[in-house]
Amino acid sequence: QKEVEQDPGPLSVPEGAIVSLNCTYSNSAFQYFMWYRQYSRKGPELLMYTYSSGNKEDGRFTAQVDKSSKYISLFIRDSQPSDSATYLCAMSDSNYQLIWGAGTKLIIKP
Amino acid sequence: GAVVSQHPSWVICKSGTSVKIECRSLDFQATTMFWYRQFPKQSLMLMATSNEGSKATYEQGVEKDKFLINHASLTLSTLTVTSAHPEDSSFYICSAVEVPDTQYFGPGTRLTVL
Repeated sequence: QKEVEQDPGPLSVPEGAIVSLNCTYSNSAFQYFMWYRQYSRKGPELLMYTYSSGNKEDGRFTAQVDKSSKYISLFIRDSQPSDSATYLCAMSDSNYQLIWGAGTKLIIKP
Repeated sequence: GAVVSQHPSWVICKSGTSVKIECRSLDFQATTMFWYRQFPKQSLMLMATSNEGSKATYEQGVEKDKFLINHASLTLSTLTVTSAHPEDSSFYICSAVEVPDTQYFGPGTRLTVL
């Protein structure tokens, strides 16, 4: 079993829909949780950075961490075609080594 | 599933010394590997594309003589930071591409130059 599980997709939704992206993990020591967006042939761009449990909102993006369930989510409201990309979750413990999800390919249809 | 490892995970060195970081794809062959640099809580900055058997392609602004990349086999790429200085202190992350286009990331190497 991988330490971090993420559905690779592709996930295809119509423009304007709310997108929900998720990762599950098995290591209870993880306390830093990140979401990255990666466009083709580009480096991953950090979208959200969360420490421990709770919600964090930034514009159209909301990150949720549920440590009791070992489950993290990224919600995208009012999705746009420009949101089409691969979304990667990553997490780490106090040693800061990043454990990555496989990435979910998201397609927003106009 | 595909796994990418990096070694070492953390290295501290003196200014002026060289440091080699290894990136290995453990259960698949990767003709292409990427090297990234990340500052705290920031996005990954692509430094170079490493292709097995050929010279690496460096992004604009990255000194190829300072960051030497060798992709000697289908499972190993190395990044050597030559004559390291404190400003080179950073988190270096590699990724490996499993054909056709799935990219797997390594856990990163934290470099501290004193």
